[in-house]
Amino acid sequence: KNEVEQSPQNLTAQEGEFITINCSYSVGISALHWLQQHPGGGIVSLFMLSSGKKKHGRLIATINIQEKHSSLHITASHPRDSAVYICAVRRFGNEKLTFGTGTRLTIIP
Amino acid sequence: GAVVSQHPSRVICKSGTSVKIECRSLDFQATTMFWYRQFPKQSLMLMATSNEGSKATYEQGVEKDKFLINHASLTLSTLTVTSAHPEDSSFYICSASRTAAYEQYFGPGTRLTVT
Repeated sequence: KNEVEQSPQNLTAQEGEFITINCSYSVGISALHWLQQHPGGGIVSLFMLSSGKKKHGRLIATINIQEKHSSLHITASHPRDSAVYICAVRRFGNEKLTFGTGTRLTIIP
Repeated sequence: GAVVSQHPSRVICKSGTSVKIECRSLDFQATTMFWYRQFPKQSLMLMATSNEGSKATYEQGVEKDKFLINHASLTLSTLTVTSAHPEDSSFYICSASRTAAYEQYFGPGTRLTVT
């Protein structure tokens, strides 16, 4: 079993829909990252979380440390949100990131 | 702030040649830089961690003589793929952080094709 599991693996939705991507992990962590990778390959760091909730524009990320679970929400989704969303965790005392396998999101106009 | 660049963005080279990829932190000093490779439809795989002024720490299974990493300054790390083979064709991504505990900022990646 992977240390970081994401669901769903693939998600297709209509423009305007509310999107939720989930990430569960099985180790103690100091931080969790949400990353976005567009088809061209470049990676953008969306959020780094250690507790609670963060919001940036239409994106919201939450984390529940006790349940070892994080969610990434996108409100009013748009075709330009189509990308792969990757959850990555950093363990206590370890600078390395452990990555989930990603969620491929496609927003249809 | 926190912009990381990579150069080149794409490179095609012949088998047996060496290729150098640069990773620069443009507006901050990065004490730690990470090098990843990514195969199609797979997640990122950490190759090595480099700290400024010291030797890189390679992950298990990564040949340090084949993938030479130099982190000579607080804003520049280089990855040299020596004697490249077609199986080295991949997407190489670097990230940089101010310290090991800080957020990692990712570069745009370099697509290497070895013919």
